[in-house]
Amino acid sequence: GNSVTQMEGPVTLSEEAFLTINCTYTATGYPSLFWYVQYPGEGLQLLLKATKADDKGSNKGFEATYRKETTSFHLEKGSVQVSDSAVYFCALKRSQGNLIFGKGTKLSVKP
Amino acid sequence: DGGITQSPKYLFRKEGQNVTLSCEQNLNHDAMYWYRQDPGQGLRLIYYSQIVNDFQKGDIAEGYSVSREKKESFPLTVTSAQKNPTAFYLCASSPGQGPTGELFFGEGSRLTVL
Repeated sequence: GNSVTQMEGPVTLSEEAFLTINCTYTATGYPSLFWYVQYPGEGLQLLLKATKADDKGSNKGFEATYRKETTSFHLEKGSVQVSDSAVYFCALKRSQGNLIFGKGTKLSVKP
Repeated sequence: DGGITQSPKYLFRKEGQNVTLSCEQNLNHDAMYWYRQDPGQGLRLIYYSQIVNDFQKGDIAEGYSVSREKKESFPLTVTSAQKNPTAFYLCASSPGQGPTGELFFGEGSRLTVL
């Protein structure tokens, strides 16, 4: 069946450090892939998405590339800020239309 | 502004009581979803509805019920049969069943069973 595995946190970085959060998936076919972000006490916001192989999603300095060879969709940012502190979720879209999520990775950025 | 409104934001319930969480959207979306979030577990799908008067069980539907009488509304009832109801509940919607569209989420409702 479909599943998403992402690196466990928490991840603690200093401001301006490079960020990578790994995400791999198992799926039939080539589902759309998403990264969502959740700030404390809030719902989820879409960060970026990719709908086909080799697509690169990007937003607010974050990037992720849909790699079908490695079934991965790793999230990267070149220079994190304190305001990036949040929980990040990788997700794939099922044929029924709903999303399957990874367990989330908590990121803390220290000044 | 268009969006998804969940209420209440916080809710306390005694064991054995049913409770209903409200979810309203004014995005004119066809599909709506309920997810449950527990620490370290990610989000798990409870129920979803792709059209008015129709809904399907998700991965963890036991102890929950829903209705979809109007396009804008998708309330979730947490029944006394739900063995561990304390959690953060998130409602979402999307324009349809298409393979590429994202889900839009509400702010969530935190239920605590005393």
